[in-house]
Amino acid sequence: GDSVTQMEGPVTLSEEACLTINCTYTATGYPSLFWYVQYPGEGLQLLLKATKADDKGSNKGFEATYRKETTSFHLEKGSVQVSDSAVYFCALRFTGGGNKLTFGTGTQLKVEL
Amino acid sequence: DVKVTQSSRYLVKRTGEKVFLECVQDMDHENMFWYRQDPGLGLRLIYFSYDVKMKEKGDIPEGYSVSREKKERFSLILESASTNQTSMYLCASTRGEVYNEQFFGPGTRLTVL
Repeated sequence: GDSVTQMEGPVTLSEEACLTINCTYTATGYPSLFWYVQYPGEGLQLLLKATKADDKGSNKGFEATYRKETTSFHLEKGSVQVSDSAVYFCALRFTGGGNKLTFGTGTQLKVEL
Repeated sequence: DVKVTQSSRYLVKRTGEKVFLECVQDMDHENMFWYRQDPGLGLRLIYFSYDVKMKEKGDIPEGYSVSREKKERFSLILESASTNQTSMYLCASTRGEVYNEQFFGPGTRLTVL
């Protein structure tokens, strides 16, 4: 079945450091891919998405490129801020149809001054 | 702004009690979802609903039931709460058949003693 694997956390970085959170997937067909972010004490929010191969999603300085050949959707940011501290979830849309999402286990990011 | 609200942020119940978790969305969304979030396991889908009075099992429906009597409200029911149902419960909603962003509520942290 469809699945998402993302790197374990926590990831601790200094402010202005570069960020990469790895995400790979297993799916039949060509799923849509998403990154959601969960700030402390809140629900999840959509951060960015890509619906087909080679698409790049971007938002708030974060980027991720849908790589079909490596079945990956790694999240990157060139310079993180303390306010980026959150849990990040990679997800794919269930290829069987409908609006179901399959989530990874989440990666906690801590950014320190 | 889309708003998804959940009836409680924190809830403490005893083993064997019947527990109701309520979720309400104000954007006329057709689709609603219940997830549980556990450390190291990410989000797992319990039940979802594509329309009023319609429901489908997700990945982990055992021990849970749901009710969707009105379009805006989706209730999760624990018929006889057990300690292994201690978790964070997240509700989400989205519009229509073509994939759209899922909007999440803030979550209910349930502790079963």
